[in-house]
Amino acid sequence: ETGVTQTPRHLVMGMTNKKSLKCEQHLGHNAMYWYKQSAKKPLELMFVYSLEERVENNSVPSRFSPECPNSSHLFLHLHTLQPEDSALYLCASSPGTSGTNNEQFFGPGTRLTVL
Amino acid sequence: GDSVTQMEGPVTLSEEAFLTINCTYTATGYPSLFWYVQYPGEGLQLLLKATKADDKGSNKGFEATYRKETTSFHLEKGSVQVSDSAVYFCALGRDSNYQLIWGAGTKLIIKP
Repeated sequence: ETGVTQTPRHLVMGMTNKKSLKCEQHLGHNAMYWYKQSAKKPLELMFVYSLEERVENNSVPSRFSPECPNSSHLFLHLHTLQPEDSALYLCASSPGTSGTNNEQFFGPGTRLTVL
Repeated sequence: GDSVTQMEGPVTLSEEAFLTINCTYTATGYPSLFWYVQYPGEGLQLLLKATKADDKGSNKGFEATYRKETTSFHLEKGSVQVSDSAVYFCALGRDSNYQLIWGAGTKLIIKP
């Protein structure tokens, strides 16, 4: 595997389910990101991890819970979601979190549908 | 604060037409500027970037020049193909911050 991978690519869940999205980067980067991309809205940054520590949480509802066990893996745990949470969830990584190291590399995304 | 403004889409062109997608920014100092592309069903890919004024980024026939005097980073291509149909995002990055400031994206449709 190369680059940034995400699983699953598609997920349909009910409002009472619990599921997790997984992201893995094979680039040796130190920072990882979760974004939400909804139709006709700008890209929304949800969480940022640098060297496995969370450095940003942009007022995301608690029904989204990130986890970064090491610098290569990032999870997004989902529970009791709402239909408006249906979106494409994108994972990205970058070499660092400052300077010229802020170029981001994206995974293909997980298309989430909440029924 | 910093911001990025892109032209609204969709932009619809015929194959082999000349493309310009406008991007202007508001920022102090000298941020880095990026163009990302998102093909249908995929994540975003870096298309090109420029890190200082008057730099020209280029890739796959696309070009963009960092214009400090007009605070712009317009994306151009001389002859578009159907395969260029995608959503294009302009973004701004700072030396002091990890976050990228994103434009809203411009959808490009190329008709054969």
